[in-house]
Amino acid sequence: GAVVSQHPSWVICKSGTSVKIECRSLDFQATTMFWYRQFPKQSLMLMATSNEGSKATYEQGVEKDKFLINHASLTLSTLTVTSAHPEDSSFYICSAPWGSGETQYFGPGTRLLVL
Amino acid sequence: RKEVEQDPGPFNVPEGATVAFNCTYSNSASQSFFWYRQDCRKEPKLLMSVYSSGNEDGRFTAQLNRASQYISLLIRDSKLSDSATYLCVVPRAGGTSYGKLTFGQGTILTVHP
Repeated sequence: GAVVSQHPSWVICKSGTSVKIECRSLDFQATTMFWYRQFPKQSLMLMATSNEGSKATYEQGVEKDKFLINHASLTLSTLTVTSAHPEDSSFYICSAPWGSGETQYFGPGTRLLVL
Repeated sequence: RKEVEQDPGPFNVPEGATVAFNCTYSNSASQSFFWYRQDCRKEPKLLMSVYSSGNEDGRFTAQLNRASQYISLLIRDSKLSDSATYLCVVPRAGGTSYGKLTFGQGTILTVHP
C-alpha cells in the first residue's frame, strides 16, 4: 500500500490565487521530505528540501517566497504555491527518504493547472 | 557533461524484443544508482538498484561501468506493459545531500504488438 500520500491529486485554480499541497508519510516519521516538479516531457527536478523543525532549503533558481514549505509535523509537509501563474502549472511530487536516504517513497503527485 | 544523461529515445519495439538504455553520470564519487519507471501521469517507481557491477531481476538487467561512468538497463522479451518512461537516477554525493536524487531526462519506451 501507499506509504506517502498527497492531497489534492489535482487542482485547477485561477491566476493569482494560492494553492496548498499536502504530503503525508503514512507509516513512518519523516524528518526530511522533498518536493519535486515535473513539466510535460521533462524529468523530475528537485525544488526544495523540507525539514521538520527548521527552515526548508531551496534549490538554485527556486523562489522561496513563491513556494512556501512548512514541515508541520514528523508526518506532514505542505507546499504552498503563492500567487500562482500559468507557468506554475506542473506535476508536483513529494518524496520521503528512508534509512540511509537511498530508499525513497514517492507520493502519487499533484497535478496543478493555473488558468 | 550533465549530472545524469540518458539516451534521448523514444524507443519503439515489438513485443518480445530486447532493448537497452544507457545512462552516463558525471560524479565519479557516486556509489549507487537506480532505474525508476514512470507511467504517464504517475509517480516514479523503483525498478532496480545498482551498487556494484550489476543487478538482474527477471527480464531486467542493470550493469554499471565505473570506469566509463555509465549504467545500462537491458530489458529482454519486452511486454506491452513495459511501455513507460525509464528514469536513470543518481543520489547526490556530499554531506548536505541526504536523500537528494538527480534524475535523468528519461527514455520513453513503447512496446507494440
